[in-house]
Amino acid sequence: EVQLVESGGGLVQPGGSLRLSCAASGFTFSTYNMNWVRQAPGKGLEWISFIDTGSGGIYYADSVKGRFAISRDNAKNSLYLQMNSLRDDDTAVYFCARSSTSIGVDYWGQGTLVTVSS
Amino acid sequence: VLTQSPATLSLSPGERAALSCRASQSVSRYLAWYQQKPGQAPRLVIYDATNRATGIPARFSGSGSGTDFTLTISSLEPEDFAVYYCLQRTKWPLTFGGGTKVGIK
Repeated sequence: EVQLVESGGGLVQPGGSLRLSCAASGFTFSTYNMNWVRQAPGKGLEWISFIDTGSGGIYYADSVKGRFAISRDNAKNSLYLQMNSLRDDDTAVYFCARSSTSIGVDYWGQGTLVTVSS
Repeated sequence: VLTQSPATLSLSPGERAALSCRASQSVSRYLAWYQQKPGQAPRLVIYDATNRATGIPARFSGSGSGTDFTLTISSLEPEDFAVYYCLQRTKWPLTFGGGTKVGIK
């Protein structure tokens, strides 16, 4: 069974930093691309970042470019999101999601809540 | 940009639901539909416009290509009431539609 478990969320002050992790199991992590998607409270879904299997292809939404950094460790079956210079409007549930070239984004974790507030 | 309509659909169990997703430029067939219930992660329903994901009942079907897409639920079951999002993966950044809430009438 595919499992994606996010961690690292919490309360952080504006301008602060946070690192999210996503632990993957139930599939061969190194053969799948990965994404981060967020959802502000009561709002829709927003894709924010993608990383390919070998970390050679990385993309960001304009809203986080230059502030967030995606990375992965295939030996640890883990995905990360380093978030710097956090703003109030970064408050959201952050989901990690698996994707493949054949299907696209298929499985999602349950998400971790990040609250940016003073 | 993906525009979903209507924003809200109020229907009764057993009725047919038709949800629309319109793209501002062609996304070919690379459009997916996701179902999200309160407090849960999204679940893939349809990928590449017409393909049902694993475990999705046959009452769900997708159609369209280019700029106009439709998700149809032929006969609503109680567990189908949720918010549905479309997502295009043709070009970066990936973009979601604003969602359609299918509510109980």
